[in-house]
Amino acid sequence: DAKTTQPTSMDCAEGRAANLPCNHSTISGNEYVYWYRQIHSQGPQYIIHGLKNNETNEMASLIITEDRKSSTLILPHATLRDTAVYYCIVNENNAGKSTFGDGTTLTVKP
Amino acid sequence: EPEVTQTPSHQVTQMGQEVILRCVPISNHLYFYWYRQILGQKVEFLVSFYNNEISEKSEIFDDQFSVERPDGSNFTLKIRSTKLEDSAMYFCASSERLVGSPLHFGNGTRLTVT
Repeated sequence: DAKTTQPTSMDCAEGRAANLPCNHSTISGNEYVYWYRQIHSQGPQYIIHGLKNNETNEMASLIITEDRKSSTLILPHATLRDTAVYYCIVNENNAGKSTFGDGTTLTVKP
Repeated sequence: EPEVTQTPSHQVTQMGQEVILRCVPISNHLYFYWYRQILGQKVEFLVSFYNNEISEKSEIFDDQFSVERPDGSNFTLKIRSTKLEDSAMYFCASSERLVGSPLHFGNGTRLTVT
């Protein structure tokens, strides 16, 4: 599975949009981009995923570049409860080869 | 919204003892997983399970570990003889499909081996 690169940490003001980048330059055509987050030591929480097209759900939007080598997770109106570690994972299937890296620690500040 | 549930939330055991961690995946999901996270470290894949068989396992998942789906709803992880280094959060997950389907995680069991 393709490797991903994310910034170690980011800050965001409460109420503003949080834009979390992920680089996956070695992504292959069959690999999906998934975003999860982990708050404290809770289980990772699924946020959104996509293959080629941009996606939006009630939690976030996912923007995937045309060449699919990078993506951005957008939390449109960040709240204090969005403070978490955000993981970008690229894989073709869930069989287990995908790994959680260090992710991006997002801190939403009042 | 359906969710993955895990019991117990915290398990304390002595080194060398057997433990069984339990999970109830989402009911229409077909693929099941165990991950673990040692304090301060990354979330690590242990094993995936489909159609009553292990699909893949990591090098962490040695002979001390086993998984079972004893009935139509439960999915268990057994550690036969616990070691101090098995202390970690253990997360169960399930997915509807193998491809293009996200993992849904439970909130974990904190295993402490003394």
